[in-house]
Amino acid sequence: DIQMTQSPSSVSASVGDRVTITCRASQDIGTWLAWYQQKPGKAPKLLIYYASGLNTGVPSRFSGSGSGTHFTLTISSLQPEDFATYYCHQTGAFPPFSFGPGTKVDVK
Amino acid sequence: QVQLQQWGAGLLKPSETLSLTCAVSGGSFSGYYWSWIRQPPGKGLEWIGEIIQSGSTNYSPSLKSRVTISVDTSNYQFSLKMTSVSAADTGVYYCARGRYFEFWGQGSLVTVSS
Repeated sequence: DIQMTQSPSSVSASVGDRVTITCRASQDIGTWLAWYQQKPGKAPKLLIYYASGLNTGVPSRFSGSGSGTHFTLTISSLQPEDFATYYCHQTGAFPPFSFGPGTKVDVK
Repeated sequence: QVQLQQWGAGLLKPSETLSLTCAVSGGSFSGYYWSWIRQPPGKGLEWIGEIIQSGSTNYSPSLKSRVTISVDTSNYQFSLKMTSVSAADTGVYYCARGRYFEFWGQGSLVTVSS
């Protein structure tokens, strides 16, 4: 199985801050990576697919990059609605399609 | 707009079988994988498995022995059955479309308790 790790596990930030979350895969997954945002009590929301593709309706302050084993999600200017937990998810090798453990972005 | 509506029993006893169904509306059913994902309370996401319209499935190796995903193409539905549940299977179960999960069901809380 491919293991996914994320860092940091949590980050405290303020509105307007630039936030970067890192995801690493235990094996090369090319660009078969997605990022999701989840708020309490809600289903996750797809933000980024194929490592850098912005899903329809997602604000341009979200961006993804990387390939192989190292990926990043960047929020260029944190907005109040961005406080949430973020998960990376690989579909490069299965089964299973593994998720990262999550990164919680909370208020500083 | 694609919508996924899911339902099923929410309270189970250990050793019982979990059964959930997800109905798809507002978009094409063919050409997509349809997945089940779960989330234990306060924890992260776990992919359970997927099915395509033809009935071909893929399962997480850790759950494969207990899980069956089936499809009812005439009603645009797919279902999850998980046998021999235990407290470790407690959590919110989601259905979703694709391998990049753009559309999700509302989630079903399943509690396993004696």
